[in-house]
Amino acid sequence: AQSVTQLDSQVPVFEEAPVELRCNYSSSVSVYLFWYVQYPNQGLQLLLKYLSGSTLVKGINGFEAEFNKSQTSFHLRKPSVHISDTAEYFCAVSPQRAGGTSYGKLTFGQGTILTVHP
Amino acid sequence: DTAVSQTPKYLVTQMGNDKSIKCEQNLGHDTMYWYKQDSKKFLKIMFSYNNKELIINETVPNRFSPKSPDKAHLNLHINSLELGDSAVYFCASSHKFPGQGVNEQFFGPGTRLTVL
Repeated sequence: AQSVTQLDSQVPVFEEAPVELRCNYSSSVSVYLFWYVQYPNQGLQLLLKYLSGSTLVKGINGFEAEFNKSQTSFHLRKPSVHISDTAEYFCAVSPQRAGGTSYGKLTFGQGTILTVHP
Repeated sequence: DTAVSQTPKYLVTQMGNDKSIKCEQNLGHDTMYWYKQDSKKFLKIMFSYNNKELIINETVPNRFSPKSPDKAHLNLHINSLELGDSAVYFCASSHKFPGQGVNEQFFGPGTRLTVL
């Protein structure tokens, strides 16, 4: 089984400041990692994903995340945020290899609300 | 063109009623999912279908019954609605059948169900 913990429920920042949203996970098997963004009253949109290879992955809208296997973390970062980045961000994991019904199952964290102030 | 669409967007109903939410994807994906997002925004998978076959069935009351008439559609029928069913329900689809590669999931806009 997998679990995901997003360490901050809310992160307020000023426009053009850097931001880091923290995500830790627990799993008995290797996982793929994802960050999704949910704008108000909308569905989830994939920001970026880690599958294999370089531990630093770049996504859309200037976001990037770094996979740290030893610390089981996948923190999301952006060097300079915009007002339009205000949204809720979800970290998720999916087992790479598991029996039958577990494979492909996304387990989400509780979400982090990012609020960018002018 | 909308990739994953859901209808209705909002659904307000009384306790005890039966209701359905429809989902359609035009991405040519093999696998579709239903998620429930509760009032605290926690997202949890409910079901997954691949080519009309049930793959994932989490601990969900049997009042919830998914139905997949074809691989582009996955509908969610809920019997005897309860107050605790109030939530946002998201449909999603993925490109590859679990076991054949990474399944990047594409989400619909959600259906906000309110049970009075």
